[in-house]
Amino acid sequence: QSALTQPASVSGSPGQSITISCTGTSSDVGSYNLVSWYQQHPGKAPKLMISEGSKRPSGVSNRFSGSKSGNTASLTISGLQAEDEADYYCCSYAGSNWVFGGGTKLTVL
Amino acid sequence: EVQLVESGGGLVQPGGSLRLSCAASGFTFSSYSMNWVRQAPGKGLEWVSYINSGSSTIYYADSVKGRVTISRDNAKNSLDLQMNSLRDEDTAVYYCARIVPGSYFDYWGQGTLVTVSS
Repeated sequence: QSALTQPASVSGSPGQSITISCTGTSSDVGSYNLVSWYQQHPGKAPKLMISEGSKRPSGVSNRFSGSKSGNTASLTISGLQAEDEADYYCCSYAGSNWVFGGGTKLTVL
Repeated sequence: EVQLVESGGGLVQPGGSLRLSCAASGFTFSSYSMNWVRQAPGKGLEWVSYINSGSSTIYYADSVKGRVTISRDNAKNSLDLQMNSLRDEDTAVYYCARIVPGSYFDYWGQGTLVTVSS
């Protein structure tokens, strides 16, 4: 049950696009198309942003998109806005357990 | 409106016990699987435990296996986590989270803080 690997931090200017990677193994990300992404602002509960690799829940901006290739999933945020500054976590089902990434702090410059 | 409200957190000494609860409303609780996810201060999210709608399938993270017990009461729309033999490293905010087919957590509570310290 090792954590998925995410970059500790990423940054971008308003209007730019950024991508956060999430690397797992053939036992989790690589085996299931069940990666989800969560946004967490300081002191708040996580919020679902992407489910099943690339599905966007109702109410989530279409600036957020997800993809997967092999053992690595990615979250792309286009047209960066100040309110996107937060921590982002990926999560994968791993067969009778779930594993999260270590989290990525997004700074909007 | 879906609401999940955790309670039961607090300060406990190492080796002690604590029971967390999550009150659910705004949806048919008995139809959904539920989870506990925790977050140590300044750290990332860690999945803790899963229980399906009928309590017939339960999973635990290796880090808590043998020390915690998840349970639910569908008549009372409540989810519990009994935590025993608590360690310093169990200090965290504990969230209850609803999970749906597709294995993603679509609703989260606001969390309850558990502090294990002497």
